[in-house]
Amino acid sequence: KAGVTQTPRYLIKTRGQQVTLSCSPISGHRSVSWYQQTPGQGLQFLFEYFSETQRNKGNFPGRFSGRQFSNSRSEMNVSTLELGDSALYLCASSSYRGIGTDTQYFGPGTRLTVL
Amino acid sequence: GNSVTQMEGPVTLSEEAFLTINCTYTATGYPSLFWYVQYPGEGLQLLLKATKADDKGSNKGFEATYRKETTSFHLEKGSVQVSDSAVYFCALSDRGEKETSGSRLTFGEGTQLTVNP
Repeated sequence: KAGVTQTPRYLIKTRGQQVTLSCSPISGHRSVSWYQQTPGQGLQFLFEYFSETQRNKGNFPGRFSGRQFSNSRSEMNVSTLELGDSALYLCASSSYRGIGTDTQYFGPGTRLTVL
Repeated sequence: GNSVTQMEGPVTLSEEAFLTINCTYTATGYPSLFWYVQYPGEGLQLLLKATKADDKGSNKGFEATYRKETTSFHLEKGSVQVSDSAVYFCALSDRGEKETSGSRLTFGEGTQLTVNP
């Protein structure tokens, strides 16, 4: 079974631009979560989507948004980029089978550099 | 809120040495506990997990036991190899009681392990 895929793998943007990152979950997985990884803040949770609905949200400004499509693929968008948004953005998917049974599997990440 | 604390790194060992990376947590409810590993330039790979107290997770020679009384989930390996060099993350998942409440992983800071031949 194919793993979680993320596109693109690398992105370079300038301040003020916006960016869209894409994630395809493992086949059959309906939950997709996004995380930001930086050297200073470590791994931080952005949001989780399940059946096209945002179920959980981390403590990030409204410039960070996401969505999930009917095929469970997900996108996250960052508007008005700031230098501090430079990070590795990781997507993870899980197959929800009941409370306490989730295990999240991660993709390779998208490395975003903001100049 | 939930939190995970890992031993400070980096950790440098010789091949075949014994490895322990300490991890303690604070959580409400009954979290599941995980160890993930990250190799340079890659995402996170699940190494092992435990979903309830006294469970032992194991994989590729690594082991960790869910200790509720000490709120710990220390990672151990009896004989490390050069190929084990990576960053190791301890994490917890505390799903709410409602199906719609979702879940999130809370990670520790990560521990860089270097194994020298």
